[in-house]
Amino acid sequence: NAGVTQTPKFQVLKTGQSMTLQCAQDMNHEYMSWYRQDPGMGLRLIHYSVGAGITDQGEVPNGYNVSRSTTEDFPLRLLSAAPSQTSVYFCASTGRSGNTIYFGEGSWLTVV
Amino acid sequence: AQSVTQLDSHVSVSEGTPVLLRCNYSSSYSPSLFWYVQHPNKGLQLLLKYTSAATLVKGINGFEAEFKKSETSFHLTKPSAHMSDAAEYFCVVSDYGNQGGKLIFGQGTELSVKP
Repeated sequence: NAGVTQTPKFQVLKTGQSMTLQCAQDMNHEYMSWYRQDPGMGLRLIHYSVGAGITDQGEVPNGYNVSRSTTEDFPLRLLSAAPSQTSVYFCASTGRSGNTIYFGEGSWLTVV
Repeated sequence: AQSVTQLDSHVSVSEGTPVLLRCNYSSSYSPSLFWYVQHPNKGLQLLLKYTSAATLVKGINGFEAEFKKSETSFHLTKPSAHMSDAAEYFCVVSDYGNQGGKLIFGQGTELSVKP
């Protein structure tokens, strides 16, 4: 997973708290995206970005917010955490060709 | 719309026997296709990828996959399973040319390897 840094790796939140998952890449990739992984459901797209200043919703965007102020960073914000957001989160980045994908190492989030 | 279907949620094989994990995709364009493996509580590791070059793709750890456009399939195979292959496997399609950063994941196949 060289080139994509995702933090924190583990986090426990109380219901209603807010937090930000950080994702940074140093490969000058245009495309970045966030996924959540739940048992039996694979990875589902939360939000994605095709470049600085441009974001769009994926399959499961509710309860999450993103911004892309720079090419390098794509933070994911949980506005008011709910137990249903307990999941593993992955950030990904790729260049324009889409032939190579780089994933972060994952963030294990528990909301109690 | 693009989609990926992994036809088996769970596959069980004996050590030393062949492995077949099935993946069908739906795409209106020429996709890139990937297989990833995930061991328990770990991240995603790339096994192999197809990007419109050779249709038979060889990956790490003895895995390979064949892209069959007529069947819209990208099945993953390995001639002889090893205990360390026990993990979850994901088939992924990328349509970056038209989807602007979206990856579509299959629901995963859990591979068990019996001694």
